[in-house]
Amino acid sequence: DAKTTQPTSMDCAEGRAANLPCNHSTISGNEYVYWYRQIHSQGPQYIIHGLKNNETNEMASLIITEDRKSSTLILPHATLRDTAVYYCIVRVVRGSNYKLTFGKGTLLTVNP
Amino acid sequence: SAVISQKPSRDICQRGTSLTIQCQVDSQVTMMFWYRQQPGQSLTLIATANQGSEATYESGFVIDKFPISRPNLTFSTLTVSNMSPEDSSIYLCSVALVNEQYFGPGTRLTVT
Repeated sequence: DAKTTQPTSMDCAEGRAANLPCNHSTISGNEYVYWYRQIHSQGPQYIIHGLKNNETNEMASLIITEDRKSSTLILPHATLRDTAVYYCIVRVVRGSNYKLTFGKGTLLTVNP
Repeated sequence: SAVISQKPSRDICQRGTSLTIQCQVDSQVTMMFWYRQQPGQSLTLIATANQGSEATYESGFVIDKFPISRPNLTFSTLTVSNMSPEDSSIYLCSVALVNEQYFGPGTRLTVT
């Protein structure tokens, strides 16, 4: 399975953009990059996903490098409620099924 | 999106007993997943449960310990059998909807 590497922790000031990096150098051509976050004691929350192109939704933007070996999740205006563990995941397709393998993630702390 | 509920939300059980966790989804889904999150750890996939077929277990998880039922497209159960303190974890149900995967709130299990 494609492995991802993320920093263990990051800090961000409230109101500023939070940029969370992820390396996935062994990603295959048909594997998507997914981002989830988990606020303490809750189930993971889907944020965004992408294959090759940059993606944006109401929560965040996802920037994927041209070689697809790394990506960055951008929270444009971080709030205190964005404090969470953020997981970068490569979705592995297995026949008609697929699998999300969670790594350790990045603990983002948004400071007032 | 999908709304997922789990029962019970938490339980304290004695070693050697079994607990069945229920997962209910508000829409019909083919792919359902069960994850475990041990204290302070990331999520680990236990098995994939597609309606109409036997569950597929990940390495390290066996059907005798974690039997799964998937009677229809909106419901699944996971049983944690012959529990030991090492089974103390949060157990999460998850469903795939198109290209997104959603998670339930989890069941916090403590084995004494």
